Amino acid sequence: DAGVIQSPRHEVTEMGQEVTLRCKPISGHDYLFWYRQTMMRGLELLIYFNNNVPIDDSGMPEDRFSAKMPNASFSTLKIQPSEPRDSAVYFCASRPAGGLTGELFFGEGSRLTVL
Amino acid sequence: GENVEQHPSTLSVQEGDSAVIKCTYSDSASNYFPWYKQELGKRPQLIIDIRSNVGEKKDQRIAVTLNKTAKHFSLHITETQPEDSAVYFCAATGNQFYFGTGTSLTVIP
Repeated sequence: DAGVIQSPRHEVTEMGQEVTLRCKPISGHDYLFWYRQTMMRGLELLIYFNNNVPIDDSGMPEDRFSAKMPNASFSTLKIQPSEPRDSAVYFCASRPAGGLTGELFFGEGSRLTVL
Repeated sequence: GENVEQHPSTLSVQEGDSAVIKCTYSDSASNYFPWYKQELGKRPQLIIDIRSNVGEKKDQRIAVTLNKTAKHFSLHITETQPEDSAVYFCAATGNQFYFGTGTSLTVIP
């Protein structure tokens, strides 16, 4: 398996623009997580899905952020409108079934810069 | 929700010395405690984990200890090498999955 695949790897956009980040989890993994990483706040859990259903989105900072998982092999994280404080590395991670224990497999991350 | 605190935030050691990173958690329902290593510009990767029914686990030069009563767990790296230089994250999971704020470890040759 190619691992968790994220796109784009780098995105530079202007304030107010819509940003869509994409993730393909490892085939067969039931859980998908979106994290945001900044120097100040470390790795923040934004939302996670189990079998394509959002389980906990309490980490989503505000209504400008939304995430979807239309099927088992694809998820998106959308920011609309984007703001400079959204600049961060966004990681997608997946793991197989078995509750919340066991290894998380991270993608390479999407580095977002909002000017 | 869970609150995971990690100390220190930065750590420098001489090559060959030991490094210890400590984490505390608040949710008594947490039962799984992994440690991830993130090299500069790379993704976090699991290096070792421990479950709540175990007090200590070792894998070559790294070990993790868990004190469930005190709600803290630690990562121990012995005989450190320059390639151990990275950011290390602890995490606690139970009903949720939260990471500590990270420790930047520098091993000085």
